[in-house]
Amino acid sequence: AQTVTQSQPEMSVQEAETVTLSCTYDTSESDYYLFWYKQPPSRQMILVIRQEAYKQQNATENRFSVNFQKAAKSFSLKISDSQLGDAAMYFCAYRGRPLIGGGADGLTFGKGTHLIIQP
Amino acid sequence: ETGVTQSPTHLIKTRGQQVTLRCSSQSGHNTVSWYQQALGQGPQFIFQYYREEENGRGNFPPRFSGLQFPNYSSELNVNALELDDSALYLCASSLDGGAETQYFGPGTRLLVL
Repeated sequence: AQTVTQSQPEMSVQEAETVTLSCTYDTSESDYYLFWYKQPPSRQMILVIRQEAYKQQNATENRFSVNFQKAAKSFSLKISDSQLGDAAMYFCAYRGRPLIGGGADGLTFGKGTHLIIQP
Repeated sequence: ETGVTQSPTHLIKTRGQQVTLRCSSQSGHNTVSWYQQALGQGPQFIFQYYREEENGRGNFPPRFSGLQFPNYSSELNVNALELDDSALYLCASSLDGGAETQYFGPGTRLLVL
């Protein structure tokens, strides 16, 4: 079974600074998807960024970028120019390709990193 | 474009009762996945419905069951509630039962006393 590990329960960063959240995963598959989701106190899980394992180029969405190291099974999220609105729980998630016969495993999540933005 | 909606937002039940949670998928999406998120944890996959059939299941007992309707909305039913079922239940919709990005609803907070 796949596992996702987020080793930083909590991170703190000054507003306007850059912060990197770590994520490692374990899988025997070669083709899969990785995601970062943000969950503010409102509880709704919001997609931040997505990476397809077959793509070597790291995904970028405005101030958010990833460092995807497939061989090391590492998928870190970098937030540049941190803003107060970035404060939330951040979850790293893994999903494999659909199973033969059409089944699906769903997303496997890490335990999350609580990001605090200091004004 | 309408996002994913869930109802109710909060619910209190007693042990042994049954509960039904509802989810409306995002416009154009035909796949709904359900997750359970215990306090302080990441969500755990319960099951997925694709075109009205269960398409995959996580490590949850049979008292967790579901339905998907022709309009792709979905229900999660939990029988014989236990105290440990207290959690945030999230539904997510996506396209085509595959590895497309899942978009989440705001969740239903269930408290079992």
